[in-house]
Amino acid sequence: GAVVSQHPSRVICKSGTSVKIECRSLDFQATTMFWYRQFPKQSLMLMATSNEGSKATYEQGVEKDKFLINHASLTLSTLTVASAHPEDSSFYICSADKGQEQFFGPGTRLTVL
Amino acid sequence: GEDVEQSLFLSVREGDSSVINCTYTDSSSTYLYWYKQEPGAGLQLLTYIFSNMDMKQDQRLTVLLNKKDKHLSLRIADTQTGDSAIYFCAENGGGNKLTFGTGTQLKVEL
Repeated sequence: GAVVSQHPSRVICKSGTSVKIECRSLDFQATTMFWYRQFPKQSLMLMATSNEGSKATYEQGVEKDKFLINHASLTLSTLTVASAHPEDSSFYICSADKGQEQFFGPGTRLTVL
Repeated sequence: GEDVEQSLFLSVREGDSSVINCTYTDSSSTYLYWYKQEPGAGLQLLTYIFSNMDMKQDQRLTVLLNKKDKHLSLRIADTQTGDSAIYFCAENGGGNKLTFGTGTQLKVEL
């Protein structure tokens, strides 16, 4: 199998707080992981590509100082939303590469008050 | 960027077949995927097709690819209420970066 977990599944925080989301590949190693953002009733938008041992590659329009990505090992990537504001409220989903397939985590619902 | 389009909504009766359509624009895509998303959950990979194939069948799922028209479809045979979800097609344009379609909400009625 290929299982990807995310933690936490849901977080509610005050404006100005930094929030860290973890993405783990549980039964395989992933050199590359991806972070997506999904607004209600919309598709997934790729935010960045996380590469183990190197800097993440961000999509156009995504602030790298706002969305900090660390891919410290072959099974863990973290996304930190720095100084979160209400407009950062969204559903964040990660995926991990396994050959030509991508396996997705269950998502993290972030609500910033 | 590439646009991947899907119809927004499809309603079928239980037991009927469902056909979800997708139009993509990147002719260099090597793989095309179908994912299922249930409310509040992540994406589940249903199936994928290599770009040099026309058809792939996997149990109740049949994928058809018309590369000339850049058209992809997913047929679900004997649709059940548990198939109700949002279905996304996605294309792999290189570097394993996926571009997702707009999503089709499938509603299965009794």
